[in-house]
Amino acid sequence: QSALTQPRSVSGSPGQSVTISCTGTSSDVGAYDHVSWYQQHPDRVPKLMIRDVSKRPSGVSDRFSGSKSGNTASLTISGLQAEDEADYYCFSFAGNSWVFGGGTMLTVL
Amino acid sequence: QLVESGGGLVQPGGSLRLSCEGSGFTFSICGMNWVRQAPGKGLEWVASVTPTSDGIFHADAVKGRFTISRDNSKNTVYLQMNSLRAEDTAVYYCATPVAPTGEYLALWGRGALVTVSS
Repeated sequence: QSALTQPRSVSGSPGQSVTISCTGTSSDVGAYDHVSWYQQHPDRVPKLMIRDVSKRPSGVSDRFSGSKSGNTASLTISGLQAEDEADYYCFSFAGNSWVFGGGTMLTVL
Repeated sequence: QLVESGGGLVQPGGSLRLSCEGSGFTFSICGMNWVRQAPGKGLEWVASVTPTSDGIFHADAVKGRFTISRDNSKNTVYLQMNSLRAEDTAVYYCATPVAPTGEYLALWGRGALVTVSS
């Protein structure tokens, strides 16, 4: 149950796009289409942004999109806005367990 | 919504039981999970239980010390924590996909702080 690997930080200017990667193994990310992404603002509860690799829950902006290739999943945020500045976590099913990524801090310059 | 209770200060080696009551959805058909976040750190999956409790799973870090359970008649999921260590200090969230099957966490509680210290 090793944590999935995410970059510690990414940044972008308003209006730009950024992509956050999430690398696992053939036992978790690579094995199942059950990767989800969460946004967490400081001192707030995490919020589901993407489920099952690329499905966007109702109410989540279409600026958020997800994809997967092999053992790596990605979250792309287009048209960056100041309110997107937050921590982002990936989460994957791994058979009889689940695992989070270490988290990525997104800074909007 | 989900509302956790039972957090607090406990000495190393002690025990604590967290509760999480669900409302506004059909609790008995939803998988339930516990996730924790140590101060200033990332999210960590702790445990999961299927709707009928036929599947119970714990992270290696807590296996043998923590036990997840549920009582569908009370719309409540529990986390019994024994042999607590300083590194168990964290905010503990309960979360659910709000679906019978779903490997994601759509609804979260506000969290319960557990502090393990002498």
